Amino acid sequence: DSGVTQTPKHLITATGQRVTLRCSPRSGDLSVYWYQQSLDQGLQFLIQYYNGEERAKGNILERFSAQQFPDLHSELNLSSLELGDSALYFCASSGDREAEAFFGQGTRLTVV
Amino acid sequence: AQSVTQLDSQVPVFEEAPVELRCNYSSSVSVYLFWYVQYPNQGLQLLLKYLSGSTLVKGINGFEAEFNKSQTSFHLRKPSVHISDTAEYFCAVSDRGTYKYIFGTGTRLKVLA
Repeated sequence: DSGVTQTPKHLITATGQRVTLRCSPRSGDLSVYWYQQSLDQGLQFLIQYYNGEERAKGNILERFSAQQFPDLHSELNLSSLELGDSALYFCASSGDREAEAFFGQGTRLTVV
Repeated sequence: AQSVTQLDSQVPVFEEAPVELRCNYSSSVSVYLFWYVQYPNQGLQLLLKYLSGSTLVKGINGFEAEFNKSQTSFHLRKPSVHISDTAEYFCAVSDRGTYKYIFGTGTRLKVLA
């Protein structure tokens, strides 16, 4: 158990809809990262937050947004969903003492 | 910009044989280097990491990797693989300042009986 919790584990929704994925980082970790893993794109970095502020941005679509709350949990919002958004979405967290990121089990999103 | 290249998308190997999974990176800044493993339907788990010091890094499950600065490589090795090592392996680099992680495209290791 990495200590990173993601909910829900599975999500099925229709095209055009909006969903919210939630991530609770390891206790005390200030950094949260979001990744998208699909068969054709591999593991893509979306965005990183550190203590509530956006720190780095990757290949995140404008239809997607994220935030990190004062209690350090994070949410990834995906809107106007398309079939191609179907993927496994991972959250990871890291602390100031360790360099590595600890990954959650992921949320599998299926857009139908 | 940082990038990570894993040249082999799939590596089949027989049980108890040695294996090397290759990783090359490019970066203009000091970096940390990692190998993660992903078993089916699971998240990524850290195998080992290089932060500084000895260039030979030992990790879990008998894996080790060697940091070669001149060749900008961080290849993963195991002298004798088991069926249970069948998984996808990701090499990653992170910027020492921002901890922004960049992952390679992964290498699928398939251990054959």
